[in-house]
Amino acid sequence: AAGVIQSPRHLIKEKRETATLKCYPIPRHDTVYWYQQGPGQDPQFLISFYEKMQSDKGSIPDRFSAQQFSDYHSELNMSSLELGDSALYFCASSFSPSGGYTDTQYFGPGTRLTVL
Amino acid sequence: AQSVTQPDIHITVSEGASLELRCNYSYGATPYLFWYVQSPGQGLQLLLKYFSGDTLVQGIKGFEAEFKRSQSSFNLRKPSVHWSDAAEYFCAAFTGGGNKLTFGTGTQLKVEL
Repeated sequence: AAGVIQSPRHLIKEKRETATLKCYPIPRHDTVYWYQQGPGQDPQFLISFYEKMQSDKGSIPDRFSAQQFSDYHSELNMSSLELGDSALYFCASSFSPSGGYTDTQYFGPGTRLTVL
Repeated sequence: AQSVTQPDIHITVSEGASLELRCNYSYGATPYLFWYVQSPGQGLQLLLKYFSGDTLVQGIKGFEAEFKRSQSSFNLRKPSVHWSDAAEYFCAAFTGGGNKLTFGTGTQLKVEL
C-alpha cells in the first residue's frame, strides 16, 4: 500500500539558511500534519491542513510557514535556521470524510534536518 | 490540560517474556487513542488504535491494548516478545473535532536474548 512520502530524507543546512521540506500524502488523504521530534523527545505538533486550508496550529515558530497545494502535497518552509531546529520532521496524513471528524494519522519516514 | 503519560522511560524484557507498556491520559472526554512504534532512525508505525466499542483492541505484530475508562489507561501488551520488538513505543491521543496528536514521552523497549 502507498505510504506518506517525504523529501528529502536528510538535509544539512547552515545557520540562517532556508530549508523546504516536502510531504506527499497517501492517495485520497485530504489532511496533512507536520510534527517536529527533537533528539530524545516525543513528536510535537506544528501545523495541519485540511483541503488546502490551515486547520490547526501548534508550537510552530514564526520563522516557519507551510501550505498545502491543490494536489494535497504540503511543504514546510523554514527560514533563518537555528541550531535548535535540528530535528526529525514528520509529515502525517489522514482522510477526513466529513471535515470535522479526523481519522487515523499515518506517518512518513521523516526528514532529518541538521543545522550546523 | 490534555496530556498523555507513559510512566516507564525504559523497559527491559527477555525474549519470549510477556510485555506491558503503560499509558495514561488526561482528557475531559474519552480521546481517540493510539500506539505507535518507532525503530531507530525510522518513522512512526501505527500498531493499533481505539476509537470506541470493544475495549480490547488487536493490532499488528501480535500487540493488543486494553482501554480502561476507570483508570484512564490504554496499556499495550504482547504475550511473547521477539528481539525485533526492540524499539521506542509512543502512546498518543486526540479528541474528536481536534486533529493534533498529543504524544507521551515514549517507552524505550530493550529485549535481552
